[in-house]
Amino acid sequence: GDSVTQMEGPVTLSEEAFLTINCTYTATGYPSLFWYVQYPGEGLQLLLKATKADDKGSNKGFEATYRKETTSFHLEKGSVQVSDSAVYFCALRPNFGNEKLTFGTGTRLTIIP
Amino acid sequence: NAGVTQTPKFQVLKTGQSMTLQCAQDMNHEYMSWYRQDPGMGLRLIHYSVGAGITDQGEVPNGYNVSRSTTEDFPLRLLSAAPSQTSVYFCASSRQGRNTEAFFGQGTRLTVV
Repeated sequence: GDSVTQMEGPVTLSEEAFLTINCTYTATGYPSLFWYVQYPGEGLQLLLKATKADDKGSNKGFEATYRKETTSFHLEKGSVQVSDSAVYFCALRPNFGNEKLTFGTGTRLTIIP
Repeated sequence: NAGVTQTPKFQVLKTGQSMTLQCAQDMNHEYMSWYRQDPGMGLRLIHYSVGAGITDQGEVPNGYNVSRSTTEDFPLRLLSAAPSQTSVYFCASSRQGRNTEAFFGQGTRLTVV
């Protein structure tokens, strides 16, 4: 079945550091790929998405590129801020059948000033 | 702009008790789902619905029931609570389609003692 493997956390970075959170997936065909973010005490909210190979999703300075050849969707940001501290989830939705989202285990990110 | 509303936010149950977690959305979304979030395991799908009157099991359905009598509401029932059901529960909704954004409630933190 479909699965998402995410970089183990927690990750602690200094403000203005470069961020990469790795995400790889297993799925048949061409799933849609998502990054969701969960701020403390809140539900998940969509950060960005990509729906076909070589698409780049971007939002709030974060980017991720859909790489079919490596089945990856790594999240990057050039300069993180304290307000980026949250848990980040990579997820996929299959390209046929239903709207079920499959999530990775989440990566807790803490940015220190 | 209420979005997805979950109640209650916190609940403590004794083993063997039953209860219903409420979920309502005001976006006329066809697809609704329930997840549980446990440390190190990400979000796991419990049950989902593609429309009023239609429900199906997800990855971890045992011990839970759902119904979907209206488009707006998707309650989750715990039949006989067990300590293994201690978790944070999230309800989500989305339009049908593989590229659509899922909107999440703020979660219900349930403790079974």
